[in-house]
Amino acid sequence: QVKLLQSGAALVKPGASVKMSCKASGYTFTDYWVSWVKQSHGKSLEWIGEIYPNSGATNFNEKFKGKATLTVDKSTSTAYMELSRLTSEDSAIYYCSLGAYWGQGTLVTVSS
Amino acid sequence: DIVMTQTPSSQAVSAGEKVTMSCKSSQSLLYSGDQKNYLAWYQQKPGQSPKLLIYLASTRESGVPDRFIGSGSGTDFTLTISSVQAEDLADYYCQQHYSYPYTFGAGTKLELK
Repeated sequence: QVKLLQSGAALVKPGASVKMSCKASGYTFTDYWVSWVKQSHGKSLEWIGEIYPNSGATNFNEKFKGKATLTVDKSTSTAYMELSRLTSEDSAIYYCSLGAYWGQGTLVTVSS
Repeated sequence: DIVMTQTPSSQAVSAGEKVTMSCKSSQSLLYSGDQKNYLAWYQQKPGQSPKLLIYLASTRESGVPDRFIGSGSGTDFTLTISSVQAEDLADYYCQQHYSYPYTFGAGTKLELK
């Protein structure tokens, strides 16, 4: 069955970067766009962007351009998202998603 | 960006009640090329990831109980739960995937009356 397994929670300092992973299994990784979604505490969902593993093509929410970088490793069927220049506004749960399937989320806490 | 407006923001319900919630988009989500509405509904329970319930406005995802019914077209959409069960208490979000950036509504929270 399809599974998206995300990396564990991260505590990072303001100004630093964090890279999280989303390991896919149960389907052909290169065939489907992987989306990333942000959920701040108690709030709604924000679509960050998506990547097509076969080509590395990406589409981004303008709000997250310069903040998020999306990459994949086809050899391990893993998608990555790196967030840079972190502030308290970046503290949130981040999900990877295929639409019908979602990872369990990665909690990022930005604090000194 | 397409703005998704969900109403109500919260609703108190009793088991067995019929529930409807609304999602309105600032632009039509009906793609003329295939006459499909690019609107999805998600359910999220506390501490869990969102779960896809409905896609293309009215197609139920596999395994979703048939008490969940999606309807609407263009800019006005509705999610109906024909007879609410206790396990349906959750947050519900609509999302458009008609144009970038894909956007979500603020959600409707179903609570126990």
